[in-house]
Amino acid sequence: DTGVSQNPRHKITKRGQNVTFRCDPISEHNRLYWYRQTLGQGPEFLTYFQNEAQLEKSRLLSDRFSAERPKGSFSTLEIQRTEQGDSAMYLCASSLDSDLAKNIQYFGAGTRLSVL
Amino acid sequence: DAKTTQPNSMESNEEEPVHLPCNHSTISGTDYIHWYRQLPSQGPEYVIHGLTSNVNNRMASLAIAEDRKSSTLILHRATLRDAAVYYCILRDWGSARQLTFGSGTQLTVLP
Repeated sequence: DTGVSQNPRHKITKRGQNVTFRCDPISEHNRLYWYRQTLGQGPEFLTYFQNEAQLEKSRLLSDRFSAERPKGSFSTLEIQRTEQGDSAMYLCASSLDSDLAKNIQYFGAGTRLSVL
Repeated sequence: DAKTTQPNSMESNEEEPVHLPCNHSTISGTDYIHWYRQLPSQGPEYVIHGLTSNVNNRMASLAIAEDRKSSTLILHRATLRDAAVYYCILRDWGSARQLTFGSGTQLTVLP
C-alpha cells in the first residue's frame, strides 16, 4: 500500500458543470477526511467519515457539495453546478482509530480543480 | 480547537539548524501539539507531536516550553528538501476530528 490515492490529479471544467473526485484511503483506515485548500492558505475542513457514516460537515460544504463513502472504503466528493469560487485543491486524508493517541492523518496529493 | 500563531515565513541556510516557533497561549491541559508540513504540490505530512516533554524522531525535534504556551520545531540540518510550509496544530487527546490548519510558516532553505 503506497498511501492515500486521489484521482484525478487535475480537473478543468466549465462553470455550471458537475465534477466528481475520488479518494482511496490507506487500507483498513476507518476514518476519511476531505479538505479544501486555496492558494496561500492552509487546508480547510469539509467533511469526515467514520467507516461509511458521515459524522461531520463544515459550513463550507454547501448544498452543491456531496460526499459519500459506500462500504467504508473509497470516497467520492461531487460538486454540482460548479462556480469559479470552487477552484481549489481538494485534499483527502485517512486515519486509524486504533491510533487515537496520535491520530495521525495521512494525506493524498490532492485534486486541483480549475473552474473556467 | 485552541489557536496557534506562527511567523509567516523564515529562511535558513542549507545544512544549518532551523528553529520554527509556535505560540499557543490558550492551550488546554489535554491538547497535544502536532506539527505537519506541506511540500510543494503535495498534501500535508505528519512531522512530530508532543504533550509536555521534548520529543525527537527521525525527522525533527520538538521543544515544548515549561508552561506549554509555546513550542519550537527543530530541524537539525536543513536540506533543500525541507523547504515547505510548516503547520503547528493543537489536538485534543484522543480526538479523531479534523485538523484545524492556520497559515503556517513558509520555510525557504538557501543553498
